[in-house]
Amino acid sequence: DAGVIQSPRHEVTEMGQEVTLRCKPISGHNSLFWYRQTMMRGLELLIYFNNNVPIDDSGMPEDRFSAKMPNASFSTLKIQPSEPRDSAVYFCASSFTSYEQYFGPGTRLTVT
Amino acid sequence: AQRVTQPEKLLSVFKGAPVELKCNYSYSGSPELFWYVQYSRQRLQLLLRHISRESIKGFTADLNKGETSFHLKKPFAQEEDSAMYYCALSEGGNTPLVFGKGTRLSVIA
Repeated sequence: DAGVIQSPRHEVTEMGQEVTLRCKPISGHNSLFWYRQTMMRGLELLIYFNNNVPIDDSGMPEDRFSAKMPNASFSTLKIQPSEPRDSAVYFCASSFTSYEQYFGPGTRLTVT
Repeated sequence: AQRVTQPEKLLSVFKGAPVELKCNYSYSGSPELFWYVQYSRQRLQLLLRHISRESIKGFTADLNKGETSFHLKKPFAQEEDSAMYYCALSEGGNTPLVFGKGTRLSVIA
């Protein structure tokens, strides 16, 4: 099992461009989480889904951020338009029980 | 509000010395507490959780509700323990984790 898969691993884009981050959770997991990691704020939840339904998006910083989970095996996090302050590492995690969340390798986003 | 505090950004110890990574939390209720670890060039992964009361790689952590702490301990540090350690809590069920800012442990040979 490859675990949680995220793409791209690295993304460099210019301010104002649209950025789409992708996540494939572990098969059979019914919860998916998007976290963002910055030096200042550490790891913070952006949004999470249970059974493909968004449950809590209160961590999404602005309307520029949106996330979808069209099916149990795929989720996207979109930033439009991107800004330099969006530069961070974005992690996706999935879980089946409360015991453990499995993290992807992260996407390092740099907005210039 | 839920909060996890890890007071040390960096902790350096010599190989064979005891290790204690501190974690304090604030939560109105009975949270589930976890320690996650990220080794160099690896993914963030679960190290241990308080409900399991287990020892993983020689590490233990005891939940002290009176002091709202969940410190991570190991009696004899090994070089391979060098990593970034995150304390986290959740409400239970399949709910999000609230993370501390992490402590980087460096074990010196």
